[in-house]
Amino acid sequence: DVKVTQSSRYLVKRTGEKVFLECVQDMDHENMFWYRQDPGLGLRLIYFSYDVKMKEKGDIPEGYSVSREKKERFSLILESASTNQTSMYLCASSLRQGFVRAKNIQYFGAGTRLSVL
Amino acid sequence: SQQGEEDPQALSIQEGENATMNCSYKTSINNLQWYRQNSGRGLVHLILIRSNEREKHSGRLRVTLDTSKKSSSLLITASRAADTASYFCATDRDRGSTLGRLYFGRGTQLTVWP
Repeated sequence: DVKVTQSSRYLVKRTGEKVFLECVQDMDHENMFWYRQDPGLGLRLIYFSYDVKMKEKGDIPEGYSVSREKKERFSLILESASTNQTSMYLCASSLRQGFVRAKNIQYFGAGTRLSVL
Repeated sequence: SQQGEEDPQALSIQEGENATMNCSYKTSINNLQWYRQNSGRGLVHLILIRSNEREKHSGRLRVTLDTSKKSSSLLITASRAADTASYFCATDRDRGSTLGRLYFGRGTQLTVWP
């Protein structure tokens, strides 16, 4: 079974702190994703990575950065946390497949609920 | 950017009844997927249907896809209290589909009462 592990289930930080959210997957997936989920807004993509050291902006990258130094690990960084970054953060991974037959099934971690005070 | 939109936003039924959720999307796709999310947890993949398929079954789940209307439905038959969760549709895009990216809707919250 694919396992995607997020380092913390709950996190409380203060405004202005630098925050690291870690995600590790054990299935040798090329693609990794960071989403945030807020009530009524669904899942919004922050950043994704399709290979080591590669990253692409999603729909809401402002205020975030990412790091992918190893294939299995994808980190989300809040450079200076703000109260509007209080949210549920979800990490996912998927296998990179040939375009025509790609399924692109994503496997999710359990989520990190971040509160910024 | 949102691609899929689920309808209804919330659905409340009794155990044993069927639950139907709908999803509409905007661009042409290669496939459409449905995911489930239990409260406070991550999403779990349920079923995938390709653009050249019209219907697919998996246990108590039945998914239909109408590419001419750009819509899909998820039917859960003989629902159970344990089916209580949020359900999301997700699509790729057949043009400009970037490296496995999926586009999720806002979800339908299903509550099944014992």
